Amino acid sequence: ETGVTQSPTHLIKTRGQQVTLRCSSQSGHNTVSWYQQALGQGPQFIFQYYREEENGRGNFPPRFSGLQFPNYSSELNVNALELDDSALYLCASSFGLSSYEQYFGPGTRLTVT
Amino acid sequence: KQEVTQIPAALSVPEGENLVLNCSFTDSAIYNLQWFRQDPGKGLTSLLLIQSSQREQTSGRLNASLDKSSGRSTLYIAASQPGDSATYLCAVHGTGANSKLTFGKGITLSVRP
Repeated sequence: ETGVTQSPTHLIKTRGQQVTLRCSSQSGHNTVSWYQQALGQGPQFIFQYYREEENGRGNFPPRFSGLQFPNYSSELNVNALELDDSALYLCASSFGLSSYEQYFGPGTRLTVT
Repeated sequence: KQEVTQIPAALSVPEGENLVLNCSFTDSAIYNLQWFRQDPGKGLTSLLLIQSSQREQTSGRLNASLDKSSGRSTLYIAASQPGDSATYLCAVHGTGANSKLTFGKGITLSVRP
């Protein structure tokens, strides 16, 4: 059974650029959630995808967008990068929406200069 | 709005000590509560998941309890070791359409040899 994987591991972007982060969910999981973790803080919910549809969104602006593919992998896109977008981006996969355990990937460290 | 609090932010103990990490949350309408471990710059490793109908879960030297009515959970670590040094986060999984994890800021534990 393959765990949750994320790519890339690290990347550095310049303010105003766009970035795409990728997540492959654990085998058998149909739900992917994305979180942003700033230094010294707990992860904050960005949005969730269930069977290719967005199912809830946190307090993040529209320049944060996402996609889930038929194989349940997912992308997080961020446009017009700002310095405050520098953070660890985590994705988590689970089966279903309710009481199931969420499994996290290793994260992507984004630095915006 | 769900809020999760973990106090203190940091804890330093000598090796071998038994310790308790506390977590409190404001809304008892939850599916479950998860405890995670995070090493510096890394992703989240799930330690224990307690469903809302359960009172406690155990895994090795770890025991987590849940008192949903009072909005509290504790993570008990027996016979602490230097390898337990990490940040420990608790997260509650809310009910409803927006099924997300709400995290505390974490407790950074240092176990001194």
